[in-house]
Amino acid sequence: SQKIEQNSEALNIQEGKTATLTCNYTNYSPAYLQWYRQDPGRGPVFLLLIRENEKEKRKERLKVTFDTTLKQSLFHITASQPADSATYLCVAGNQFYFGTGTSLTVIP
Amino acid sequence: KAGVTQTPRYLIKTRGQQVTLSCSPISGHRSVSWYQQTPGQGLQFLFEYFSETQRNKGNFPGRFSGRQFSNSRSEMNVSTLELGDSALYLCASSLLAGVDNEQFFGPGTRLTVL
Repeated sequence: SQKIEQNSEALNIQEGKTATLTCNYTNYSPAYLQWYRQDPGRGPVFLLLIRENEKEKRKERLKVTFDTTLKQSLFHITASQPADSATYLCVAGNQFYFGTGTSLTVIP
Repeated sequence: KAGVTQTPRYLIKTRGQQVTLSCSPISGHRSVSWYQQTPGQGLQFLFEYFSETQRNKGNFPGRFSGRQFSNSRSEMNVSTLELGDSALYLCASSLLAGVDNEQFFGPGTRLTVL
């Protein structure tokens, strides 16, 4: 069955470093992949969408890659800040499958 | 522009009861999707409605149902509540149907089943 996994439940990094989150999918080939941010007590907020023919996409300090051979997407936050602390979710189309999320904590 | 609103924000019910949750999408958005979020299972897709028609359905029992009205507002209903139905229920709206469109989530309804 289709499955989507995010690398770890929690990730702690030092302020100013680059955070790298991983999203792996199995048993299907999504045409696009999205990343969302969720803060406690709130609904997820859309960050980026990347399509299968795009290797990389950037938005300010965020960068997403999509490797259809490895069946993986990497989500990078450069020059991380404590305000980046949140749970990050990936979702891979064509179905509405969300990963369980990675909780990122940026330590000042 | 007002965001997605969900009512009520909190709800406490007992086993066996039924519940109806409401979602008002962003003005102009015609697609509404519903999700269940629990600590153990993460965000799980319930169903998607577009122009009053259910387009996609997740893997939930028939006790979970929904509908969409002509003004795009949507409701979901859970009958014969079970303890395991305790969760945060999120709705999301988008301009068009399909998961490749940016979804705007509401704050959710926290349902507790006792």
